[in-house]
Amino acid sequence: GESVGLHLPTLSVQEGDNSIINCAYSNSASDYFIWYKQESGKGPQFIIDIRSNMDKRQGQRVTVLLNKTVKHLSLQIAATQPGDSAVYFCAEKRNVYGNLIFGKGTKLSVKP
Amino acid sequence: GAVVSQHPSRVICKSGTSVKIECRSLDFQATTMFWYRQFPKQSLMLMATSNEGSKATYEQGVEKDKFLINHASLTLSTLTVTSAHPEDSSFYICSASRPATSSGELFFGEGSRLTVL
Repeated sequence: GESVGLHLPTLSVQEGDNSIINCAYSNSASDYFIWYKQESGKGPQFIIDIRSNMDKRQGQRVTVLLNKTVKHLSLQIAATQPGDSAVYFCAEKRNVYGNLIFGKGTKLSVKP
Repeated sequence: GAVVSQHPSRVICKSGTSVKIECRSLDFQATTMFWYRQFPKQSLMLMATSNEGSKATYEQGVEKDKFLINHASLTLSTLTVTSAHPEDSSFYICSASRPATSSGELFFGEGSRLTVL
């Protein structure tokens, strides 16, 4: 069935480096995408979102890129810090009122 | 910002007993809340959609008689795991959509870890 998946299950980066977490989705009808950060034992925390009519959106130290041609979503974290260590999930929605479908997650480890 | 609160954060129960988990939207009214289940090192899986004043909508494969959902008010939804068994041990997370938010962003609770002995 249709799903949202990730290319890399784990990612280890050096503190200060930039991190890129990737996500592939299969449903071209999805029009809203969100990145969540989940720390151990806690609920998901919203990071940034993007609609399908955009290909890039920037936040504080984070950038989300959307490539609808290849159904690919990425999260870029600039100057990665130890506090960024967590599991990152991409999620998609078919529309504003649709259910949120989560990808498998990527664990980001930041080495000091 | 919007806050969603869950209680309890951790619960341990004996096999065969029932456990109730509460999900509250603290500063907004949520006509719809969602319940997710997450096993260790896995993603969140939607269990059901909780609608205020009406029956919940369950995802395929989720037993409605085992996971009872009640959304009695615009700020409270409860999930009751009935006759719990060790395989029900999991991390249960609720979320709510703020009606005024056009983006559809969901606000998540901190989760409730259930351990069934």
